[in-house]
Order: sequence, then structure tokens, then C-alpha cells
Amino acid sequence: DQQVKQNSPSLSVQEGRISILNCDYTNSMFDYFLWYKKYPAEGPTFLISISSIKDKNEDGRFTVFLNKSAKHLSLHIVPSQPGDSAVYFCAASGNSGGSNYKLTFGKGTLLTVNP
Amino acid sequence: DAGITQSPRHKVTETGTPVTLRCHQTENHRYMYWYRQDPGHGLRLIHYSYGVKDTDKGEVSDGYSVSRSKTEDFLLTLESATSSQTSVYFCAISEASFTTDTQYFGPGTRLTVL
Repeated sequence: DQQVKQNSPSLSVQEGRISILNCDYTNSMFDYFLWYKKYPAEGPTFLISISSIKDKNEDGRFTVFLNKSAKHLSLHIVPSQPGDSAVYFCAASGNSGGSNYKLTFGKGTLLTVNP
Repeated sequence: DAGITQSPRHKVTETGTPVTLRCHQTENHRYMYWYRQDPGHGLRLIHYSYGVKDTDKGEVSDGYSVSRSKTEDFLLTLESATSSQTSVYFCAISEASFTTDTQYFGPGTRLTVL
């Protein structure tokens, strides 16, 4: 049973445009959500996070939106740059639910930003 | 960047041989994790540790064991490697507080079991 779902395996956008990566979750105990970026042959790097008490968090070109009622979050990258081309993983944790600080990851979305 | 190193970075071994992967951190974080990444599966938790000598299983723990005798080191052992354990293995660390569950990852170990 996949609790965190990234339904788009890949996404292609033009440089300068907006990239929107989506993530859905099923476990209502999740209260903290993160996005990671991964380049080939490297470890995932933390990008941005959001707590369930917020519906938006912004860091430079990256904004994460959380819709708790829909159990949906999205990552917006504006403007997209070729260096953003990577696999993006959505992750969730349910700290208040006794998850013992474990993260559940989606399968990832490969973003390609074309020059 | 968080101070996390993994060794070896690449390893090729044969079915049935024991293999130990090492994760070393310099951040003094309490929590450490081992994941494997496979095409179509994303990142899956193998085992994790919440302190010295305190470990627990993740979702894909069969065939793996772990040990943590020091805060800075977390070892993953494949007692008898199988071809299904060919994968990229990532270690992660976390301060694990009520304000953040952010984990920081090492560079990975690519393991091939022939």
C-alpha cells in the first residue's frame, strides 16, 4: 500500500517556465512533508519542507503548497532552470503519530528543463 | 553539507558472500537510517537507529542486519548477498526533533551482486 504517491514519473518544461510537481498521500497522520532533489550518482538533497499547520512555504524559486483536505502537496519551481533537471522525491512523516521520525517516500518524478 | 560519508562507494561481490557497508557521520545526530533505491520503487527504508545499540526494522529489512556501537557509525550487513540486493544504498541522518524530521543523505554505495 503506497502511502505517498507521485503519479507522474516524468515532467518536461522549458527554461524560464514554471515546473509543478505533484504528490498525494493517503495517511491522515502525516503532518510533515518534504521535497528532495536527486542528481544521478549523488545522494538526495533536502530542498524544502512544510508542516501541516501551514499551507504554503516559500524559499527562493521553490514553493511548496499543502492542501490537507485533498491530501495533496505540490512543488512549484519558478523560473525553471536547466540545473533543476533531476529526480524529485516527495516524503512525509507522522511525528505526532509515533512514526519514530521515519520518512515515507514517493517513487520520484524526473524533471527535465530544456534550454 | 551534512558530514556524512559512506564506504565503499562501489562494490561488486558474488552471491552468498557477506557484505558490510559503513556510514559515518560527524554531526552527532541521534538518528541514522539505511535506504535502498531501486528503479520504480523510490527510496525504501531498510533499518534505522535511534541511538547507540538501538535499532529497528524498516519496510524491507529481510536479509539485512545493522549495528551501531558508536554515535558516528552505522553499519549495514548483508549476511549472504543475493542478486535481489543489487541496488544503490543510501545512509541518512537526522536530528529528529519536534520541529523537524529532515533527513540528510550520504553520497550512496552502489552494490552489484553477481
